Amino acid sequence: DAGVTQSPTHLIKTRGQHVTLRCSPISGHKSVSWYQQVLGQGPQFIFQYYEKEERGRGNFPDRFSARQFPNYSSELNVNALLLGDSALYLCASSLVGTGGTDTQYFGPGTRLTVL
Amino acid sequence: QQQVKQSPQSLIVQKGGISIINCAYENTAFDYFPWYQQFPGKGPALLIAIRPDVSEKKEGRFTISFNKSAKQFSLHIMDSQPGDSATYFCAASRSYGGATNKLIFGTGTLLAVQP
Repeated sequence: DAGVTQSPTHLIKTRGQHVTLRCSPISGHKSVSWYQQVLGQGPQFIFQYYEKEERGRGNFPDRFSARQFPNYSSELNVNALLLGDSALYLCASSLVGTGGTDTQYFGPGTRLTVL
Repeated sequence: QQQVKQSPQSLIVQKGGISIINCAYENTAFDYFPWYQQFPGKGPALLIAIRPDVSEKKEGRFTISFNKSAKQFSLHIMDSQPGDSATYFCAASRSYGGATNKLIFGTGTLLAVQP
């Protein structure tokens, strides 16, 4: 059974550009969460979506946005890229998104480099 | 109150030894404490998790000890093996009151098990 998949694997952009990252959850999972992992740090929560509705938002600027599609896949969009946006972007899926023992399964991430 | 503090930052253990990683939290609303293991180029994977109604949970060579009054929890890896060499993250979340999937991660511990 396929795990969480993310695309692209790696991405290089320049400051001011826009980027779209994609995530496909595990089959049957209805919740997708996005995390940013800066090198040498733990992942930081950006968004959670469940049944196409935003359920949670972390402390990130409005340049970050996301959406979830009817097939439960998700996109993370970042506008006006800054050097500090360089990070590994992780997508995690879970069955119902209620936290706790509703285990989150992480994808391999998209490595974004902003020059 | 949202932080989870993790120590040590790095750890070197001989094969067969015990690896111990510690975490502390402040927010008493947290009620779910997972540990994640991350290999280079991979997303974090759930290793073991505990809820605050128990003081210890063991799965194979991995044990979580939980001290609710001190707001601390730790991961013990018994009989450490070179294949355990990875970065370990503690995390915390809450699972009631319309909770989200938001995990608060520690800063990570890079474990190297020497043969």
